[in-house]
Amino acid sequence: DTAVSQTPKYLVTQMGNDKSIKCEQNLGHDTMYWYKQDSKKFLKIMFSYNNKELIINETVPNRFSPKSPDKAHLNLHINSLELGDSAVYFCASSQVYEQFFGPGTRLTVL
Amino acid sequence: DAKTTQPNSMESNEEEPVHLPCNHSTISGTDYIHWYRQLPSQGPEYVIHGLTSNVNNRMASLAIAEDRKSSTLILHRATLRDAAVYYCILRDGNSGGSNYKLTFGKGTLLTVNP
Repeated sequence: DTAVSQTPKYLVTQMGNDKSIKCEQNLGHDTMYWYKQDSKKFLKIMFSYNNKELIINETVPNRFSPKSPDKAHLNLHINSLELGDSAVYFCASSQVYEQFFGPGTRLTVL
Repeated sequence: DAKTTQPNSMESNEEEPVHLPCNHSTISGTDYIHWYRQLPSQGPEYVIHGLTSNVNNRMASLAIAEDRKSSTLILHRATLRDAAVYYCILRDGNSGGSNYKLTFGKGTLLTVNP
């Protein structure tokens, strides 16, 4: 039983393309997040949603648009991909004291 | 966000205890101390958290200094599976319920020797 799942696991694409990453959690949590881990392994929060409402937006370029169709799903759409977008993207959901992370999506922009 | 300072790396032998230190001299009274770890090619996973008192769970123990300016994560018997990057993170206890951001630093890379 996967608590937080992401698709795809790997994504290789060309600069300028538009792509989406999907996330689903079956934990019944109200809050979900997107984090980005760059090549230097720094892990930074991008967005958080609570019950489909955007709560945290950490000065991410507006090429990144999260969408939450329901509280179990939080998708990340990225327009006009750039080389610097190459990273591992982690989805997470949380209860009060613990965040549960997905396995990550490794995005490579060529 | 209050900052934490951890050693870049530590090494341990299998089946020996490991003490991972963390300094957080600017911690505020409402900050919780959280520890997460990230195994190779996986997402971070929760290890333990505490506020003032020492805490134990099935994975580890957390020892918090009396002045709360430092803490130590204790793995009682390291296994090869414990090789990971360990992150010490302060979470604002005033942030709303289940919605809060975790600010990850560089963490400590723990190597476990067989």
